[in-house]
Amino acid sequence: TQLLEQSPQFLSIQEGENLTVYCNSSSVFSSLQWYRQEPGEGPVLLVTVVTGGEVKKLKRLTFQFGDARKDSSLHITAAQPGDTGLYLCAGGRDTGNQFYFGTGTSLTVIP
Amino acid sequence: DSGVTQTPKHLITATGQRVTLRCSPRSGDLSVYWYQQSLDQGLQFLIQYYNGEERAKGNILERFSAQQFPDLHSELNLSSLELGDSALYFCASSVGTLIRGINEQFFGPGTRLTVL
Repeated sequence: TQLLEQSPQFLSIQEGENLTVYCNSSSVFSSLQWYRQEPGEGPVLLVTVVTGGEVKKLKRLTFQFGDARKDSSLHITAAQPGDTGLYLCAGGRDTGNQFYFGTGTSLTVIP
Repeated sequence: DSGVTQTPKHLITATGQRVTLRCSPRSGDLSVYWYQQSLDQGLQFLIQYYNGEERAKGNILERFSAQQFPDLHSELNLSSLELGDSALYFCASSVGTLIRGINEQFFGPGTRLTVL
């Protein structure tokens, strides 16, 4: 059983469209990270959020940490083919030395 | 290029066999993490070492073991392999350990293990 559930699992959209990916849990996390993974490569960190309600922007990507620190969202504006990949959220806790990765969202942006 | 290297890139073996996966962390990183990624289980944390010592254990099977050597490279040993062990195995490294759940991990390119 995954602590972090992502939705949707698969997403295929046209270039220029907007999209939102959700990462939900019933558990509280002290930090939430988002990664992007391309085929044949390891995940690459996009952002870390640590405060409930925090919003961070990275060019066309907007990340939000839920007020209760149990969920997060990733919004992409005007998606481009280069955004194609597997998006993973990962939660960290005050105790322990591991991240709990989400189930993943596979995004395909069609030119 | 994350600076983390993993060998081999691909590994094909038979059930019941034993294999060793190798990871070299980024220069200066003391922590090494091992993850397993499969289609049905997603990315699962296996184990973490920090400066040669085991620091955290996740969903690692008893048939699997790991170690970190004085030069900080790490090896993941998988024995009595089963079909279900077929997966991508990633190594990640970071400067230190997690503090309040925060750390930046740099992932290697992975080793794709196929058990026939």
